[in-house]
Order: sequence, then C-alpha cells, then structure tokens
Amino acid sequence: NAGVTQTPKFQVLKTGQSMTLQCAQDMNHNSMYWYRQDPGMGLRLIYYSASEGTTDKGEVPNGYNVSRLNKREFSLRLESAAPSQTSVYFCASTYQQGNYGYTFGSGTRLTVV
Amino acid sequence: KNEVEQSPQNLTAQEGEFITINCSYSVGISALHWLQQHPGGGIVSLFMLSSGKKKHGRLIATINIQEKHSSLHITASHPRDSAVYICAVQETSGSRLTFGEGTQLTVNP
Repeated sequence: NAGVTQTPKFQVLKTGQSMTLQCAQDMNHNSMYWYRQDPGMGLRLIYYSASEGTTDKGEVPNGYNVSRLNKREFSLRLESAAPSQTSVYFCASTYQQGNYGYTFGSGTRLTVV
Repeated sequence: KNEVEQSPQNLTAQEGEFITINCSYSVGISALHWLQQHPGGGIVSLFMLSSGKKKHGRLIATINIQEKHSSLHITASHPRDSAVYICAVQETSGSRLTFGEGTQLTVNP
C-alpha cells in the first residue's frame, strides 16, 4: 500500500546509545518531516526536508540529526540518547510545502532508560 | 498562549450523539487540517480546508477564516469514532504545520 513506512515501531535505548529511525515514502512527495509527540503537547517539528538535498531545523532539533538519503527516504538519528528523548516519533510527507495534504507514518515509540 | 487551541480537551458522548470539536488559531493561515489518531495508532488526515465546508461520510469540517475558527462535527457518533482529533494549521508565513494539543473523544455504546 502506498504511504509512509517507519521503522522500527518500538525501541528501548539506554542513555548514551545511538540509533537511527528510518522513514520511506512511495508517493513521490518532495517534502518530508520528523515530529515528536509528547503527552499534553501538540506534535512538534524536529527537522524537515522541503526537497531532496535540503534539510532544515524545526522547533526542537537539539540532540537530533537527519539525512535526506534520496527522494524517498528521510532518516532521523539520535547520536547519544537521553531520557528527555523518550517520545513517539512520526514521519510525514507532502507533495510540496503549501496547500497539500500530509501523510503520516504509524509512529515509533522510543523509550530511553 | 498556543497558536492553535482546541476545545474541549476531553469529550465523552453516547453512541448516536452529534459531536462538535472546536479549533481556534491566532496566526494567518493558508490551510487547516483535521487529523485523527486512534489509541496506539498512526495519524490519519481527515480534511484539509482553506474555506467553507467539507463533508466525508458522517464527518463535516467547517472553517471561518475571518473569525480564525474551525469546527469538526461528527453526526450519529459511534464507538469506533473514539480517537484523538487534532487540528493543525499551515501558516502563510512559514513552511510548517502548527498543531493543537488534540481532543480526546470517547463514544460509549
């Protein structure tokens, strides 16, 4: 099925470990986004890629890095995980920035102990 | 003050009731999105609208640009409508979506 695929769905890390969250879309979308969702708060933008070859910081980029590997794939890396990064992470894509619908992945539930 | 405010935060209804969830925003927007998130699940886009009204099945979304307000209505609610409903705005000044905190809807049989 067409859509946004995120892996893994669940992950537990120890403080200081690193990991990469993967995201891929097969809808030929140009723009891709990484959000985190925490209780009592709306989704917050971590990083985004308006088009292949570009990446920009969002509201909460500290502690994260991203790579837009190609048009389909946009990965999020935690170099040294901290308990404050315990959250649910969502990847999303849209055809391009502007008045287009967004498609979201199913989320990655990350716990840092 | 959040740029996007939803009310109520929590809503419990009986099956069959008509439900309204409200969204107010303080920034200039080019579009407003309504999203649905089931427990433990992903996020699904319900509507994107920039004016007027849209309808899909039992769901209706309206927007009043002058008043900076949108509503999501569910007619003949059903327990399967139980979910978090999220309002998000596409700001005219930027490239990102700004999200409300969501409304937790529970529909009891």
